[in-house]
Amino acid sequence: GAGVSQTPSNKVTEKGKYVELRCDPISGHTALYWYRQSLGQGPEFLIYFQGTGAADDSGLPNDRFFAVRPEGSVSTLKIQRTERGDSAVYLCASSFDSTGEVHEQYFGPGTRLTVT
Amino acid sequence: AQKVTQAQTEISVVEKEDVTLDCVYETRDTTYYLFWYKQPPSGELVFLIRRNSFDEQNEISGRYSWNFQKSTSSFNFTITASQVVDSAVYFCALRRGATNKLIFGTGTLLAVQP
Repeated sequence: GAGVSQTPSNKVTEKGKYVELRCDPISGHTALYWYRQSLGQGPEFLIYFQGTGAADDSGLPNDRFFAVRPEGSVSTLKIQRTERGDSAVYLCASSFDSTGEVHEQYFGPGTRLTVT
Repeated sequence: AQKVTQAQTEISVVEKEDVTLDCVYETRDTTYYLFWYKQPPSGELVFLIRRNSFDEQNEISGRYSWNFQKSTSSFNFTITASQVVDSAVYFCALRRGATNKLIFGTGTLLAVQP
């Protein structure tokens, strides 16, 4: 079946603008994750959804970052007043329910965000 | 503190050589999970293996093998008879038993020359 998809694949925005990044998880996966990967680094956790609710948002760097998953499927990561330091690849992953048994996370291709 | 260290930033080998990628982790949890992911030039992370802290059995899958040693907090990955298609960045990751987030190392760039 289809994997995790993310749109857009690339986004260039000016400092101070608002951006939305979209993630479409694998069908049937109830858990959804957002990570951020800077050049030469490993992905860093941002937020985790179980169904519609954010179960862990401890990785969001500040209140300019917000994510939603209103129907328990597609998720949108929203960044307000973007800064040059927000430039990175934003990765989305999904998995089966992780509240009991541990399941591996499957990653999408990412959205490369460049703030000029 | 939870941490994953991949001390090898870059490794270059010639095709058919064996290569081992090192991963050292830190956690005080008794229940945890370890992962390896591959990130080819296309950028998409590909899951390779998951290991839980109660299972120290080594695993082999084709040319890939993993050596998990709790005594040294290591989870090393060996590719036998490397191929050019193995060229990628490889990440080791840790997940605590009580959480869902993965903590990644900084990755090792493997370049396999023909």
